[in-house]
Amino acid sequence: EIVLTQSPGTLSLSPGERATLSCRASQSVSSSYLAWYQQRPGQAPRLLIYGTSSRATGIPDRFSGTGSGTDFTLTISRLEPDDFAVYYCQHYGNSPFPFGPGTKVDFK
Amino acid sequence: VQLVESGGGLVKPGGSLRLSCAASGFTFRSYSMNWVRQAPGKGLEWVSSISSGSSSISYADSVKGRFTISRDNAKNSLYLQMNSLRVEDTAVYYCARLEAAVSGTLDSWGQGTLVTVSS
Repeated sequence: EIVLTQSPGTLSLSPGERATLSCRASQSVSSSYLAWYQQRPGQAPRLLIYGTSSRATGIPDRFSGTGSGTDFTLTISRLEPDDFAVYYCQHYGNSPFPFGPGTKVDFK
Repeated sequence: VQLVESGGGLVKPGGSLRLSCAASGFTFRSYSMNWVRQAPGKGLEWVSSISSGSSSISYADSVKGRFTISRDNAKNSLYLQMNSLRVEDTAVYYCARLEAAVSGTLDSWGQGTLVTVSS
């Protein structure tokens, strides 16, 4: 069973800065099945990235995803106030469909 | 796309609860559906998945044998029957649509319903 870990646990940054979030899988996974979600406080998760690097509908291009094998990265090029949230990676190849524990991006 | 969960509440350990998810704004019968939960202050945990015609169903090990997912395509509704509830099942339960054609993953989510298991 695939286990996902995310780092750092918390990322303290200022608006306008670049955020780099990491997701590592316990074994090599297909890049076709790696997604990223954003969850703002009190809200449901929102799909940001699927297939490692494809942005979901309506997601601005300051969000980008890269990676392969066991190491994947979500980059937010210039943080805006609405981007301060928790971000989860997920592998969705075969059930179970594990999520990582999340990275919180908060204000420095 | 709109997904609206209901049926959450307070239940004692060992009790049962049935969650519902009413879907609208898309052709419900064409999509696989999922339940995902989130314990208070914790991360996301996938719970269960059901294919569009109910032929393929899967569960997380943590709920296998206690929870049953089902759907009624005529009523555009998804269900989760939860039996033998434990304190650790306390969470917000989200229903989510699996969009297979493009993303292959959970592209739309409801706002969730809170289940509290406590004596």
